[in-house]
Amino acid sequence: DIKMTQSPSSLSASVGDGVTITCQASQGISNFLNWYQQKPGKPPKLLITGASNLETGVPSRFSGTGSGKYFTFTISSLQPEDVATYYCLNYDNLPLTFGGGTRVEIK
Amino acid sequence: QVQLVQSGAEVKKPGASVKVSCEASGYTFSTYYIHWVRQTPGQGLEWMGRINPNSGGTNYARKFEGRVSMTRDTSIRTAYMDLSNLRFDDTAIYYCARDSRGIGPVYGMDVWGQGTTVTVSS
Repeated sequence: DIKMTQSPSSLSASVGDGVTITCQASQGISNFLNWYQQKPGKPPKLLITGASNLETGVPSRFSGTGSGKYFTFTISSLQPEDVATYYCLNYDNLPLTFGGGTRVEIK
Repeated sequence: QVQLVQSGAEVKKPGASVKVSCEASGYTFSTYYIHWVRQTPGQGLEWMGRINPNSGGTNYARKFEGRVSMTRDTSIRTAYMDLSNLRFDDTAIYYCARDSRGIGPVYGMDVWGQGTTVTVSS
């Protein structure tokens, strides 16, 4: 199974700051990676597919890059409503595997 | 709109089984895989498997093979996940989720159910 290592596990930043999260795959997965946002008590919400494609309706301050083994997720200007846990998902093959999550808080 | 509505919370004893349902609406049920994912405090998000609602064909994560069964009833647009021989560490929120692209190559999930809390307690 492909292991997804996500870092950091948590971060705290000020409103307006840029925030970056990374996911590293244990082997190359091309661009078969999604990013999800999960707020407390809610299911995950799909933000980005194919490593860099923003879902319809998702604010443009969210972005993703990468291919192969290394991926990044960026919030260009952190907003209070972005407080959540973010997860990457590898869908290169079965089984699908998630990163461990990054909790984002406001400083 | 596309929606997945899951059954309510369950409390089970160790060794028992639990069956969670997932009713789909707003799209053609038979043309998209349904995935099952669970979330535990210790293990984060964990993919359990998927079912093809058209054929009934399934793929299970190795960890759950032999304990999990995924089925569907197309007449009522509902998928089911049955987990047997429950242990304390099966306490989790169980989600169903629709495949992003339908039936075909491996893809991730777009729309998720609200989650079903399963508590295993003696």
